[in-house]
Amino acid sequence: DTEVTQTPKHLVMGMTNKKSLKCEQHMGHRAMYWYKQKAKKPPELMFVYSYEKLSINESVPSRFSPECPNSSLLNLHLHALQPEDSALYLCASSQDGAYNEQFFGPGTRLTVL
Amino acid sequence: AQSVAQPEDQVNVAEGNPLTVKCTYSVSGNPYLFWYVQYPNRGLQFLLKYITGDNLVKGSYGFEAEFNKSQTSFHLKKPSALVSDSALYFCAVRTGFQKLVFGTGTRLLVSP
Repeated sequence: DTEVTQTPKHLVMGMTNKKSLKCEQHMGHRAMYWYKQKAKKPPELMFVYSYEKLSINESVPSRFSPECPNSSLLNLHLHALQPEDSALYLCASSQDGAYNEQFFGPGTRLTVL
Repeated sequence: AQSVAQPEDQVNVAEGNPLTVKCTYSVSGNPYLFWYVQYPNRGLQFLLKYITGDNLVKGSYGFEAEFNKSQTSFHLKKPSALVSDSALYFCAVRTGFQKLVFGTGTRLLVSP
């Protein structure tokens, strides 16, 4: 299995809602990532988990809360988002190490009303 | 700071012609460089990477890239473009142990 899956594909939420994005991989990768991508822009790194521990937080607002319940799963909990948080949220995974390419999921298209 | 630049917002090429998508890098130390492709409303797909060794790197779907240290470039090439190659292409550089920084992207449009 060489896929990274993400659910849901699309999400519309109000500013007072709480929702979660889910990411799963079964490639045995020990590094997992969340990126945010605005239209026609490159992905921007948000968080990195390495061996299920948060290793990088790129100064992301606390309304985004990542969680890594096990080596195959990565969640992103959303609360009190702003309309400017509307974007494509991409999950990726890789073998741990500097040389390894990241495998990306198809993303969740998030719209905050 | 480690970075990559993609000087062209869009590249237009006719099907069957060779294509080049440009990328230049600015890094201290040895560069670890990657190319990814993104189709509309999809995630990124890995094409190829340069870590060390041969300057000509072969990747997926017939793409290759040439690493040029003197020109600090890592251009993506394909001998014969297909309409289905039309997509958004990102060059990226490893900036830390687990950090990848992407260029601004180049839209490739292959006309029939």
